[in-house]
Amino acid sequence: DAKTTQPPSMDCAEGRAANLPCNHSTISGNEYVYWYRQIHSQGPQYIIHGLKNNETNEMASLIITEDRKSSTLILPHATLRDTAVYYCIVRVAYNFNKFYFGSGTKLNVKP
Amino acid sequence: GAGVSQSPSNKVTEKGKDVELRCDPISGHTALYWYRQSLGQGLEFLIYFQGNSAPDKSGLPSDRFSAERTGGSVSTLTIQRTQQEDSAVYLCASSLEWDGSGGYTFGSGTRLTVV
Repeated sequence: DAKTTQPPSMDCAEGRAANLPCNHSTISGNEYVYWYRQIHSQGPQYIIHGLKNNETNEMASLIITEDRKSSTLILPHATLRDTAVYYCIVRVAYNFNKFYFGSGTKLNVKP
Repeated sequence: GAGVSQSPSNKVTEKGKDVELRCDPISGHTALYWYRQSLGQGLEFLIYFQGNSAPDKSGLPSDRFSAERTGGSVSTLTIQRTQQEDSAVYLCASSLEWDGSGGYTFGSGTRLTVV
């Protein structure tokens, strides 16, 4: 699976949009981009995933560049409860045994 | 239930003892996974169950580790003769799709401390 690069931490003001970047320059054509987050003392929580097109659900939006070498997770109106470590993962859908989270981005939402 | 349930949430055991960790997946999810997360590390795959197929045990670190899934639902991860390096958070996840392509739902984990 392709490796990902994320900034170690980011700050965001409550109520503002949080834009979390991820670089995955070695992504291959059949690899999906997944985003998870892990709030302290809880298991990872699925947020969103996509292959080529931008995706939106009730939690977030995922913007994937045309060359697929990077993506951005957007939390449109961050709340204090969104403070967590956000993980960007790329993997082939069936490669469940290589589901490696890496170090992620610690998002601090401040009042 | 509404989510993946794991028990116990915390377990402290003496080196050399056996432990059993339980996972109750989301009803209807056919795929079940065990991972462990050591402090500051990423998730390490342990074992995967899918329906009635033989489980993928390729991630189990040694023969002291075993897991079973009864009736296609509840799973138990057993660690025999625990060692200090077994200390970690053990996470269970389930997914509706066999390959997890729609995303996994994780439990809150069992924090195992071997003293």
